[in-house]
Amino acid sequence: GAGVSQSPSNKVTEKGKDVELRCDPISGHTALYWYRQSLGQGLEFLIYFQGNSAPDKSGLPSDRFSAERTGGSVSTLTIQRTQQEDSAVYLCASSLALTSGGYEQYFGPGTRLTVT
Amino acid sequence: AQSVTQLDSHVSVSEGTPVLLRCNYSSSYSPSLFWYVQHPNKGLQLLLKYTSAATLVKGINGFEAEFKKSETSFHLTKPSAHMSDAAEYFCVVSGAYNNNDMRFGAGTRLTVKP
Repeated sequence: GAGVSQSPSNKVTEKGKDVELRCDPISGHTALYWYRQSLGQGLEFLIYFQGNSAPDKSGLPSDRFSAERTGGSVSTLTIQRTQQEDSAVYLCASSLALTSGGYEQYFGPGTRLTVT
Repeated sequence: AQSVTQLDSHVSVSEGTPVLLRCNYSSSYSPSLFWYVQHPNKGLQLLLKYTSAATLVKGINGFEAEFKKSETSFHLTKPSAHMSDAAEYFCVVSGAYNNNDMRFGAGTRLTVKP
């Protein structure tokens, strides 16, 4: 079946512009996660959604970052007034339920964001 | 709170020799532990996971890992490296109750020499 998809695959934007990154999770997966992977670094947790519960935004690095998940499916990560340090690969993952229950996450291919 | 430390940022082995990628974790709860692999320009793929069942976990592509509570370790091994194993490997720990306690290690880049 279809995996997690993300769009765009690459995005180049000018400093100060807003960007939107999209994630389509696997159908039926109730949990959705966003991560950031900077060059040569591990994954930095940003935010996760679980069913109809309020999202856990504790990993968002600043108030320029926000995310929403419409209808419990597609999610959009928005970065306002982009800065050069926002350049990274943004990864989305989904799972049947929370990974604390041992459910694995399925990752999308990522969106490579470059802020010039 | 959870944390995970991958002890080697880079491991280089010759094809056909054993692979050992080291991971130590810290967790307030009984953790779930995962190893993911990321090939160049590819998405992250689950290799194996531990969720309080058998302590020796077998994964895909001949990899396995052993959960050792006394040593708080979850090292990844493979008896014989293949060229296609060259990739970045991430150890991940997840807490029992709160998913934002999920932590990825910084990664270990595995190079396989012919």
